Amino acid sequence: DTEVTQTPKHLVMGMTNKKSLKCEQHMGHRAMYWYKQKAKKPPELMFVYSYEKLSINESVPSRFSPECPNSSLLNLHLHALQPEDSALYLCASSQDDNRPGFGSGTRLTVV
Amino acid sequence: DAKTTQPPSMDCAEGRAANLPCNHSTISGNEYVYWYRQIHSQGPQYIIHGLKNNETNEMASLIITEDRKSSTLILPHATLRDTAVYYCIVRVYGGKLIFGQGTELSVKP
Repeated sequence: DTEVTQTPKHLVMGMTNKKSLKCEQHMGHRAMYWYKQKAKKPPELMFVYSYEKLSINESVPSRFSPECPNSSLLNLHLHALQPEDSALYLCASSQDDNRPGFGSGTRLTVV
Repeated sequence: DAKTTQPPSMDCAEGRAANLPCNHSTISGNEYVYWYRQIHSQGPQYIIHGLKNNETNEMASLIITEDRKSSTLILPHATLRDTAVYYCIVRVYGGKLIFGQGTELSVKP
């Protein structure tokens, strides 16, 4: 879905590193999401931003820090991650009854 | 929050119709049902969505029961490239996108 783009596609980071995942949507949606997906499991909701304000935090550890600079951009800042945080991280956007858009994901490996 | 339930796996012969069910018995009156599929851990790909009427597009048909407690995604002539995990998703009030556990569809020659 090229209407939602995520960078980078792959990321390997050490447990002491700081990195950021980026997402941009061109669908004009006002809600944006971060999901975490482990192998053979459905995506798990992490955060929801609505109109650039954090509206839902699903009890995510503070080593994950979201940021929404504007209505089109969503970042996920990563710090001091653990190997079990290795997963596919998906960004999504939606508004009302319009079809949600999903990015192709960032495959994160924590070593 | 609404909850969606899907069978974990299904098989389908190539060229036959694939019927994938989803139970969403706690859905509210204005919450849409969306169907997406995911291949090889790529991002979910949109298929179809609906509220209460049956819907059809170039990819699939969506049948929603009159009480809206369940729906069925129909791929009319499945091909090998339709092998994927299919998710039934409900967008609830407040904006959450609630995923089902997904059905792994295997299309066999």
